[in-house]
Amino acid sequence: QSVLTQPPSVSAAPGQKVTISCSGSSSNVEINSVFWYQQLPGTAPKLLIYDNNKRPSGIPDRFSGSKSGTSATLGITGLQTGDEADYYCGTWDNSLSGVVFGGGTKLTVL
Amino acid sequence: EVQLVESGGGLVKPGGSLRLSCVVSGFTFRSYSMNWVRQAPGKGLEWVSFISSDSSDIYYSDSVKGRFTISRDNAKNSLYLQMNSLRAEDTAVYYCARVLGRSGLSVYWGQGTLVTVSS
Repeated sequence: QSVLTQPPSVSAAPGQKVTISCSGSSSNVEINSVFWYQQLPGTAPKLLIYDNNKRPSGIPDRFSGSKSGTSATLGITGLQTGDEADYYCGTWDNSLSGVVFGGGTKLTVL
Repeated sequence: EVQLVESGGGLVKPGGSLRLSCVVSGFTFRSYSMNWVRQAPGKGLEWVSFISSDSSDIYYSDSVKGRFTISRDNAKNSLYLQMNSLRAEDTAVYYCARVLGRSGLSVYWGQGTLVTVSS
C-alpha cells in the first residue's frame, strides 16, 4: 500500500488530454514539492515535473503539473502513442523522514 | 552530461550480503545529496535511502533500516549501498539518483542494477 494514491490506469485516444491524480496528506503533498516521473518499459524513471509545476529542460509543454492542498495532478495534452508508460508521483514525507511514491499509473493511448 | 552507473548487483542467497556502487560523472558529486530507489519486478518505485552531500544526514525506509547502510566517497565520486541480511523481498532493480536541492526527490537516475535474493 503506497503512501500516495494514484489510479492504477488511465486511457485516452491519441490527441486527447488525460489527467493523473496523486492524493497524499498534510505530512507530504500539502507541504512539500511534488515530482512526477515517466517510466517507459525497461528503462529508468525520467523526471517530467518538479516543484509541483516546473518542467525540466527538454520536457514538452504538453506535460503540466498542479497541486492543491493534499492532492496533485499531472496533465498530458495532445496524447501520443509514445506517451504510453507508467507515471509516478513522489514527494518528501516529514512524518516518515523519507521519500514517498504513488503506486504508479499505467497510461494507455488507445 | 550527467551520468550515474550502478554496479554490484547479482544473485545472493537469503541472509547474504551485497555491496552496490554508483559512480557518477558530469557534475560536482560532493555538492549533491543522493538517493537509492528500488523497483521489484513488475512493481512500483520504492525509496530506500537518502544521504546528504556531506553525509551528515542519512535516512532509510523502514523496510531496510538496520540492514542496509548508505555511504559515499566524494573523492571517488561514488555512492554505496551495503546490504546485509538480504531477504527475498529485497529482490529488485536498484537505482542511484541525484537529488534536487533540498527537496529529497531525484532528478537524474542511473540505469539500475538487478539484485536477486534466492536460494
